[in-house]
Formats: sequence, structure tokens, C-alpha cells
Amino acid sequence: EDQVTQSPEALRLQEGESSSLNCSYTVSGLRGLFWYRQDPGKGPEFLFTLYSAGEEKEKERLKATLTKKESFLHITAPKPEDSATYLCAVPAPGDYKLSFGAGTTVTVRA
Amino acid sequence: KAGVTQTPRYLIKTRGQQVTLSCSPISGHRSVSWYQQTPGQGLQFLFEYFSETQRNKGNFPGRFSGRQFSNSRSEMNVSTLELGDSALYLCASSFSDAQAGGYTFGSGTRLTVV
Repeated sequence: EDQVTQSPEALRLQEGESSSLNCSYTVSGLRGLFWYRQDPGKGPEFLFTLYSAGEEKEKERLKATLTKKESFLHITAPKPEDSATYLCAVPAPGDYKLSFGAGTTVTVRA
Repeated sequence: KAGVTQTPRYLIKTRGQQVTLSCSPISGHRSVSWYQQTPGQGLQFLFEYFSETQRNKGNFPGRFSGRQFSNSRSEMNVSTLELGDSALYLCASSFSDAQAGGYTFGSGTRLTVV
């Protein structure tokens, strides 16, 4: 069974205080790792897909990186609007489904 | 372009009743997946359909069922509702499968069983 573990569970940041979220996975033959953002009461919003170790993707204040065993989501100089739950997920090989981590809830105070 | 549309947004049902939730995927997307999200269990996979065929089913009791129509719209049904079925039910669509790229999720249906 594929395992996706995210840490920390919660992160409270001051506006402008950069930090990183971690997503570690155990899956044979990784076929991509996805990052999503979820606001309360809404569905997850797709952010990034990473396919190979060393790959990096950026979007505004977010940068996702991938190694052979984990991925990091770096939030640079966050703003209150970056407050959300960030989820990572990996596709189960041949199973047509995503295995999600429990998420990291980020709160950014002004 | 229009996103994934789920109806209804909110639903309150009584234990023992049944419920049907609907999902219209993004135009051109043929894969539709359903997930249950609860505070304790997070996002749990229910099932996935592609061209009207169920390709995978998660570890949920037989009370949970679904189907996909020829226009790729999908429905899921839960019979004999239990209190523990209260959750946010999310539908996601993709061109082919999870490996092809990110799934696009709808806003979900919030089901409350009383």
C-alpha cells in the first residue's frame, strides 16, 4: 500500500515568514507527485505536478521540489491569502487513483 | 472553460435514507473519480470511471455505488445512510487517468446524515 506522509500537520506563520512543507512517499516507480491547495468548504485546487527527482516548479510565492523520497513545498514571504490546507498526492501505479497525504494546514497572520 | 460541477452543494438526509450525488466533468475529460473527505480520514478514494466502465473501487461497503453515462457525467449513490457517511464528497475529472496529469476537483457535496 502506497504511503504518503505530510509534515507538519499545521503551520502558523507571520506574514513574510518563509517556510517549507514536507511530503514523503513510499511508492515503487513514481509516476508523478501532485500538490493541491484546499480552502475550507471547497475542493482541492491543482498546483503542481512533479515527475522526476531534481524537478522544480514555481507559482507566485510557491515552489515545489522533488527528490527520490520526498517533496517540499516552499512558501516564500507568505501573505494571509496563502492560508489553506496543502495536500500532496501520488498516483497508485495502474490503479487509477490518487493516494493523498493528510495535508498541512497553513495559517498566515498579518 | 467550465470546471467540474457537483450538485447539490449541500444535503441533509436521515439515517436509513439513500442519496444520489451528481458530477459533470470538464468537457473532454473521460475519467471521473469520487473521493470522500472527513476530518479523521482525510481524502479516501471511492471509485473511478472511464468511458462508462468502473476501473477501480476503494475500500467502501457495497452501499456506495456509482455509474458513468455516455456523456461522461457521473453519479454516486449511497443507500441506507449511516451517521458516519457524513462527509464532503468530491468528484474529480481528468483526460485519462491519474498519471496523465493533475485531476481537477469540483467544489464537492457536503452530506450531513442526522
